[in-house]
Amino acid sequence: DGGITQSPKYLFRKEGQNVTLSCEQNLNHDAMYWYRQDPGQGLRLIYYSQIVNDFQKGDIAEGYSVSREKKESFPLTVTSAQKNPTAFYLCASTRDRVHSYNEQFFGPGTRLTVL
Amino acid sequence: GQNIDQPTEMTATEGAIVQINCTYQTSGFNGLFWYQQHAGEAPTFLSYNVLDGLEEKGRFSSFLSRSKGYSYLLLKELQMKDSASYLCAVRDWVQLTFGSGTQLTVLP
Repeated sequence: DGGITQSPKYLFRKEGQNVTLSCEQNLNHDAMYWYRQDPGQGLRLIYYSQIVNDFQKGDIAEGYSVSREKKESFPLTVTSAQKNPTAFYLCASTRDRVHSYNEQFFGPGTRLTVL
Repeated sequence: GQNIDQPTEMTATEGAIVQINCTYQTSGFNGLFWYQQHAGEAPTFLSYNVLDGLEEKGRFSSFLSRSKGYSYLLLKELQMKDSASYLCAVRDWVQLTFGSGTQLTVLP
């Protein structure tokens, strides 16, 4: 089955530690995205990548970093510089960045709690 | 940038019809999406509009007026499983910007 995988579903970390969230897709999609969702709120864009070895900051990139070494993978690192890291993190992908009708497919999400 | 507004909460009765509105102000417009999100789960795609008018897909329909910066999602024959958050999202030339979502509660 084609889709997007995020693991783990729940993640706990101590304050001050960096943590990396994984995102893998086997849809052969070019573009990938990371969003953060806080309770009762919509999704806010952290980073996006439209092609391998290229990525751009979204609206709330501070305290986060990404890499895109392979088409299938777009890991997100939450660094100790992120002041309020506890949130629900969603990874998404689209077939390409050119056609606007391409909807974003989402992974199941990772709920990160920093203690 | 983008500014997207939708009501925070709505309640409706099973079997009824409900309309969820979304207004937006954008620096660029390249389509509007509606997503459904159940609690603790990922959003799932419902509809896409880029031209003015109504798009119908089973029990769900979505309308767009670009001149008014307005869209609505219409849900007919409501079922209990339709209780969820409904997210309006606008695409500019680069990214998708989401509204805060409308939490719909369907009562028996």
